[in-house]
Amino acid sequence: GAGVSQTPSNKVTEKGKYVELRCDPISGHTALYWYRQSLGQGPEFLIYFQGTGAADDSGLPNDRFFAVRPEGSVSTLKIQRTERGDSAVYLCASSLTGLAGGGGEQYFGPGTRLTVT
Amino acid sequence: AQSVTQLGSHVSVSEGALVLLRCNYSSSVPPYLFWYVQYPNQGLQLLLKYTSAATLVKGINGFEAEFKKSETSFHLTKPSAHMSDAAEYFCAVSYTGGGNKLTFGTGTQLKVEL
Repeated sequence: GAGVSQTPSNKVTEKGKYVELRCDPISGHTALYWYRQSLGQGPEFLIYFQGTGAADDSGLPNDRFFAVRPEGSVSTLKIQRTERGDSAVYLCASSLTGLAGGGGEQYFGPGTRLTVT
Repeated sequence: AQSVTQLGSHVSVSEGALVLLRCNYSSSVPPYLFWYVQYPNQGLQLLLKYTSAATLVKGINGFEAEFKKSETSFHLTKPSAHMSDAAEYFCAVSYTGGGNKLTFGTGTQLKVEL
């Protein structure tokens, strides 16, 4: 079956612009996660959805970052007034459920590489 | 708070030699531990996971890891390295009640030489 897909694969934008990054999870997966991976670092958690609601957004760095998942499937990560420090690879993952104890496997997409110039 | 530390940002081994990638965790509650592999320009792929069953966990591609509570470690090993094992490896931790949220280490780049 299809895995997690992310679009676009690459995005170059100018400082101050608005960007949207899209994630299509595996069909039937109720949990969806966004991570950010800076060069030479491990992925850092941003936000987690269980269904349509954000169950944990503690990783969002500031109020320029926002994410939605209106129908419990596709999710969009939105970044306002982009800064050069936002340049990173944004990874999306999904899992069957986020409710079962913490040991569930997450399936990752290939990521969107965001470059802010 | 949970965290993982990966010792050695770069590890180089000869083809056919033992692979040992180190991971130590810190967790105030029983952890779930994972090893992921990342090939260039690809997403993370799960190698194996520890979820409180057997302490020795076998994964894909001949990798295995042993959970040692006394040492707070979850080191990844493979008896014989192959050129195709060259990639970046990440250790990660989650915990009950954390919604499967993963906290990753900084990664270890494995190089396999002829």
